[in-house]
Amino acid sequence: GENVEQHPSTLSVQEGDSAVIKCTYSDSASNYFPWYKQELGKGPQLIIDIRSNVGEKKDQRIAVTLNKTAKHFSLHITETQPEDSAVYFCATQYQKVTFGIGTKLQVIP
Amino acid sequence: NAGVTQTPKFQVLKTGQSMTLQCAQDMNHEYMSWYRQDPGMGLRLIHYSVGAGITDQGEIPNGYNVSRSTTEDFPLRLLSAAPSQTSVYFCASRVTSGYNEQFFGPGTRLTVL
Repeated sequence: GENVEQHPSTLSVQEGDSAVIKCTYSDSASNYFPWYKQELGKGPQLIIDIRSNVGEKKDQRIAVTLNKTAKHFSLHITETQPEDSAVYFCATQYQKVTFGIGTKLQVIP
Repeated sequence: NAGVTQTPKFQVLKTGQSMTLQCAQDMNHEYMSWYRQDPGMGLRLIHYSVGAGITDQGEIPNGYNVSRSTTEDFPLRLLSAAPSQTSVYFCASRVTSGYNEQFFGPGTRLTVL
């Protein structure tokens, strides 16, 4: 089955700096790559996704890049703010969703 | 819309007890699933359903049963709880299987003593 590796597991940045989270996957047939944000005590929520026919997608301060040849994808958050502090999960999805282990991001004011 | 709802929010069980975690969605989604979240292990799929009357096993189905008699409800049953089932459980739904947004419930924190 699919295997998704995510790193780093924890990340601390100063407010205003950028944060990058990286994931690799094993199944070359995977075509859809969502990213979820989980705030303390809540369920995960989709923040951005990318399909395999696209190399990069942006939504305001967040962006995702995909390299299908290397089987890796990354989340980039620019101009980080304290409210970006959360756990972020990458995933691959078709019928089933396979998640990475999560990255705990702390933005220090 | 209430979205995906889960009850209870917290539950403490003794080893060997049984219980049902409830999940409901009001978005007319065909696809529903159950995950558990443990530190350092991300979210792991327990069972899923692609529509009423259809269920299938996920990555870690042992010790859990599900049924899907209606589109709205997807309960998760623990027949004989074990301490290894202490975890946070999330229910999720999406329109269909495939490339669309998955919506999560708020979770149930279960402790088995």
